[in-house]
Amino acid sequence: NAGVIQTPRHKVTGKGQEATLWCEPISGHSAVFWYRQTIVQGLEFLTYFRNQAPIDDSGMPKERFSAQMPNQSHSTLKIQSTQPQDSAVYLCASSSHWGTETLYFGSGTRLTVL
Amino acid sequence: GQQVQQSPASLVLQEGENAELQCNFSSTATRLQWFYQHPGGRLVSLFYNPSGTKHTGRLTSTTVTNERRSSLHISSSQTTDSGTYFCAGTNAYKVIFGKGTHLHVLP
Repeated sequence: NAGVIQTPRHKVTGKGQEATLWCEPISGHSAVFWYRQTIVQGLEFLTYFRNQAPIDDSGMPKERFSAQMPNQSHSTLKIQSTQPQDSAVYLCASSSHWGTETLYFGSGTRLTVL
Repeated sequence: GQQVQQSPASLVLQEGENAELQCNFSSTATRLQWFYQHPGGRLVSLFYNPSGTKHTGRLTSTTVTNERRSSLHISSSQTTDSGTYFCAGTNAYKVIFGKGTHLHVLP
């Protein structure tokens, strides 16, 4: 088991460009989360999928961020018109049962917006 | 207010010393977990400890649910223990993290 896989590890975009981040959860895990980590804000919840269905996106900046889970083996986080304040480490995590048990995190994608 | 609060924010130890990290959580953040993050590394679960005491190696987690507090004790610290320790509580399905305790163990 390779754990939660996130790609790319690093991404640099220019202001206004689009960024797509990928996550492959652990096989068989039904809950998938996206978090954003910065030094100032710490770990912020973005969105949550259960059995591929979007359950809660209350942490997502509404206008430019979107997340999808087209199948049980991957999820994407898309940021349109990236801004410097979007620079952060984006973390994907999965758990085996509806988010009530231990979370397993990927290594994250470090996004830098110039 | 903050649902999960950790103290201290940072801690410097000499190798071999013990460490006690504290976590206080609101009534809406239950099912406590402790995570560790090495600088530049991924978050790794240390304990899923909603109540009681759990041990693994030199680590001990104690959660007193009705007092809404949890602690992580590191005995005989080593330089490899350096990193950030996060306490997290679950609000329904959403895992809410504290700001973390940054631990630096000196050789």
